[in-house]
Amino acid sequence: KAGVTQTPRYLIKTRGQQVTLSCSPISGHRSVSWYQQTPGQGLQFLFEYFSETQRNKGNFPGRFSGRQFSNSRSEMNVSTLELGDSALYLCASSLGLAASDEQYFGPGTRLTVT
Amino acid sequence: QKEVEQNSGPLSVPEGAIASLNCTYSDRVSQSFFWYRQYSGKSPELIMSIYSNGDKEDGRFTAQLNKASQYVSLLIRDSQPSDSATYLCAVKGTGGFKTIFGAGTRLFVKA
Repeated sequence: KAGVTQTPRYLIKTRGQQVTLSCSPISGHRSVSWYQQTPGQGLQFLFEYFSETQRNKGNFPGRFSGRQFSNSRSEMNVSTLELGDSALYLCASSLGLAASDEQYFGPGTRLTVT
Repeated sequence: QKEVEQNSGPLSVPEGAIASLNCTYSDRVSQSFFWYRQYSGKSPELIMSIYSNGDKEDGRFTAQLNKASQYVSLLIRDSQPSDSATYLCAVKGTGGFKTIFGAGTRLFVKA
């Protein structure tokens, strides 16, 4: 079974631009979560989607948004990029929302904002 | 108080020794506990999950959970240099609560 895939793997953007990242979950998984990872802050939860609905949201500004499609694929968008948005963005998929559902991570998208 | 706390390390152990990684959490309604391994420059990889008090063994790895003490640990027996990585503890509650990750413990296994 194929794992979680994320595109693109690397991205360089300029301050003020916007960016869209894509995530395809493991086949059969309906929940997708997004995380930001930086050396100083560790893994920070962005949001979680299930059945095309945002179920949970972390403490990030409104510049960070996401959506999920009917095939469970998900995208996240960051508008008006800031230097501090440089990070590894990780997507994780799980079967559903049950506490016991394990999350599996994709390889991540490394975003550099200059 | 952080929701999930781990000693950042680095924890250094000699090859063949037992590495003990610890994690405490603040939310008493937490139901599920996970350990991930993350190599430098890579994404986290799920090692083990544990849901009930006690020990759960998988190969060289043993997860231990004590809900009364709000404590979960990971033991790595016969540590190998390839085990050198950052180990992340993750906690999830019921009712659709999000998964909370600790900051991770860096482990170095010296050959």
